[in-house]
Amino acid sequence: DIVMTQSPDSLAVSLGERATINCKSSQSVLFNSNNKNYLAWYQQKPGQPPKLLIYWASTRESGVPDRFSGSGSGTDFTLTISSLQAEDVAVYYCQQYYTTLALTFGGGTKVEIK
Amino acid sequence: QVQLVQSGAEVKKPGASVKVSCKASGYTFTGYYIHWVRQAPGQGLEWMGRINPNSGGTNYAQKFQDRVTMTRDTSINTAYMELSRLRSDDTVVYYCAREGSNSGSSLDSWGQGTLVTVSS
Repeated sequence: DIVMTQSPDSLAVSLGERATINCKSSQSVLFNSNNKNYLAWYQQKPGQPPKLLIYWASTRESGVPDRFSGSGSGTDFTLTISSLQAEDVAVYYCQQYYTTLALTFGGGTKVEIK
Repeated sequence: QVQLVQSGAEVKKPGASVKVSCKASGYTFTGYYIHWVRQAPGQGLEWMGRINPNSGGTNYAQKFQDRVTMTRDTSINTAYMELSRLRSDDTVVYYCAREGSNSGSSLDSWGQGTLVTVSS
């Protein structure tokens, strides 16, 4: 299985500041035939299911604020919250779907307010 | 709007089985794969498998291959996940989730989760 490693495990950011979360896959999730990275990001608030934020590594899901952005290719990816809001306090997960029959998630990054 | 509504919390004894349901509404049930993902308290997300509601075809994670069965009833737009030979470490929240249409196997809608507690 592809192992997804996130860093840091947690971070505290001041309101209005930038938050950056990293995700590294144990093998490339870039599918050469369509040049797409099979990588998604989710947000999970306490007591709630995960919510899809980003897919294809950088495509924002409908309704997701534009302060959330995804970047990266191959094995290294980043989720950026450009200006942290109080409602962004959550745990964020990356997920690869390159191997459709063995989806795997990162361990999660907890984002808090400093 | 798309909605996935799961059955309520369960308490089971070790060695027993549990069957969790996931009722879909707001879209064509047979048009989208349903995945099952589980999460231990305070822990990360673990993929268990998926079902094609149209054909009934399934794909299971190797870890659960011999204990999980995913089925569906298209007459009531409901998917099911049954886990057998329960152990204490199966005490987790189980989620169903819909695979997106143009977003690969990312999961664009999730059920609210079902807590299964395994205890003697």
